[in-house]
Amino acid sequence: GAGVSQTPSNKVTEKGKYVELRCDPISGHTALYWYRQSLGQGPEFLIYFQGTGAADDSGLPNDRFFAVRPEGSVSTLKIQRTERGDSAVYLCASSLMGQPQETQYFGPGTRLLVL
Amino acid sequence: AQTVTQSQPEMSVQEAETVTLSCTYDTSESDYYLFWYKQPPSRQMILVIRQEAYKQQNATENRFSVNFQKAAKSFSLKISDSQLGDAAMYFCAYRSARGGSEKLVFGKGTKLTVNP
Repeated sequence: GAGVSQTPSNKVTEKGKYVELRCDPISGHTALYWYRQSLGQGPEFLIYFQGTGAADDSGLPNDRFFAVRPEGSVSTLKIQRTERGDSAVYLCASSLMGQPQETQYFGPGTRLLVL
Repeated sequence: AQTVTQSQPEMSVQEAETVTLSCTYDTSESDYYLFWYKQPPSRQMILVIRQEAYKQQNATENRFSVNFQKAAKSFSLKISDSQLGDAAMYFCAYRSARGGSEKLVFGKGTKLTVNP
């Protein structure tokens, strides 16, 4: 595709519900990243995929957060038993091969609001 | 762990003037990459400029340039001939050159306002 796309653009849910956030990276990019951006903060790393596997999930805050990338393209970030503190913008980025010098291209994010 | 600090929560500049945004970082590594990203209200982060730590020459991209001081661990962004479209949040970011550390570490950002 022309760029990284994320759906939905906005998501409102109730505390305790389950949500899925989708990321469609740039075609051909093997590296995919999820970040979380709380209000007034910079993005914080959650997880990095190289192909289908999670190469680094050290940023996931707890076991309520899980992400998959089964075919090495689209990724889904899953949040169980949502809490109000999960409210944030969830950003996805992709890069060609995950090399340090490469540009990470970001999507527009999904704004999650947990009531 | 690496940290990135942006000490200016907000800055303003007159159209056509020059403004400098500050960034400092803390790391024990010698090889790394530094980035400035722009985030307009649309939320999409856009890369402005990149600097490789092993390069002494400061990076430039049209009206954007950096002042990279490795010993001081400082990486400021200079925007010349500011335009209304430059108004956005600007984030400084660090990335290790070490394999297995692919994540970007961001500062808290600086909100830039451009006055006509």
